This record gives sequence, C-alpha cells and structure tokens, in this order.
Amino acid sequence: DAKTTQPPSMDCAEGRAANLPCNHSTISGNEYVYWYRQIHSQGPQYIIHGLKNNKTNEMASLIITEDRKSSTLILPHATLRDTAVYYCIVRVNSGYALNFGKGTSLLVTP
Amino acid sequence: DAGVTQSPTHLIKTRGQQVTLRCSPKSGHDTVSWYQQALGQGPQFIFQYYEEEERQRGNFPDRFSGHQFPNYSSELNVNALLLGDSALYLCASSGTRGDTQYFGPGTRLTVL
Repeated sequence: DAKTTQPPSMDCAEGRAANLPCNHSTISGNEYVYWYRQIHSQGPQYIIHGLKNNKTNEMASLIITEDRKSSTLILPHATLRDTAVYYCIVRVNSGYALNFGKGTSLLVTP
Repeated sequence: DAGVTQSPTHLIKTRGQQVTLRCSPKSGHDTVSWYQQALGQGPQFIFQYYEEEERQRGNFPDRFSGHQFPNYSSELNVNALLLGDSALYLCASSGTRGDTQYFGPGTRLTVL
C-alpha cells in the first residue's frame, strides 16, 4: 500500500470548516483513500473513502485531486466533539491490513 | 443493529501470564482483524481471520495467536506476556471482500 503524509497537528475554531490534508504521491490506480478518526482511547471510527471522485456523506466530504496524489477531508462545521486524531490510509479495496500512520491531531477550540 | 463488540473492556495481567480477548463482529460481517495500539502510536495490524483461517499476518511473534469460530466471532490469545504487550487491542470486522473495516471499542490490557 502507498505511504501517506499528514501534518502532525491542526487547530480549528468551532463552527468553522476543518480541512485536513493528506499526501499520497505514490498511490496506485487500484488504491482507495480511506479516512478514520479516533477520539481519545476509543476505537477508530470510519469516516469516508473514495477512489477518484469527490465523496460526501453525513460526516464529511472527501476531495481527491485529479492526479490522485493528495486529498483533503473536510468537516464543514467543526464541533468540539470532532477533536480527535484523523488517519488517512491508502489501500486496495480488497486488501487486508489497514496501515495506520501517526495521523493528524485535530483540536477544535471554542 | 449491534456494532463490533469486545470483551473484556479492561484487564490487568502479570508478566509471563496468558490472556484471551474476545470479539464479536458487526452483523453481516464474516472477517475479523486484530490490531494493537501502544500509547501514542497508531494501531498496528496483528492478523486477519476469514473462514476460520488466518488470512494475513502482521509483524508479530508467534506468542500472538487467534481463532475464529463458525459464528464469525474471534479470539486473540497472547502467551508469555511482556511489559511491552501493554496496549489497547482493537478488533475490526468487515465483509467478505475485505472492504471497509469497522472497529470495536477495544480492550485495554495492562501487564505488570
């Protein structure tokens, strides 16, 4: 699976959009971009995944660049409960292991 | 619809002991993966079970073993516990094609 690079930490004001970047410049054509988040000491929570088209669900939007070398997870109106570590993972859809890196620690402030 | 469940929530063991952790997958899922998460680190893949067989294994010693039952539930066994085995152990379930994995709340293991 391709390697991902994320900033170690980010801040966001409550009510504003949180834009979390991820670089995956070595991504292969059959690899998907997955996003999970982990609130302190809980199990990781699946957020969204996509191959090349932008995706939106009730939690977030995923924007993947046309060359697929980077992506951005957007939380449109961040709340204090969105404070968590966010992991960007690249993986073939029939793959087995999820290779978590260090993720981005997002702090949402009042 | 129950999600992934794990038991126990917490447990404390001493070095050299053996431990068994349990996981029930989300309804409709038949594949179970186990991860270890040390403090301050991302989860690390231990192994995955499908059709009662270990399908893929991460870089963990043979002290870590598992089992999957006909009802798709799974156990993680760790023998000869070391202090370094203290971690949050996570179970994730997914459908047959190994698509999106959904995680349980984890079991916090402390080895003294």
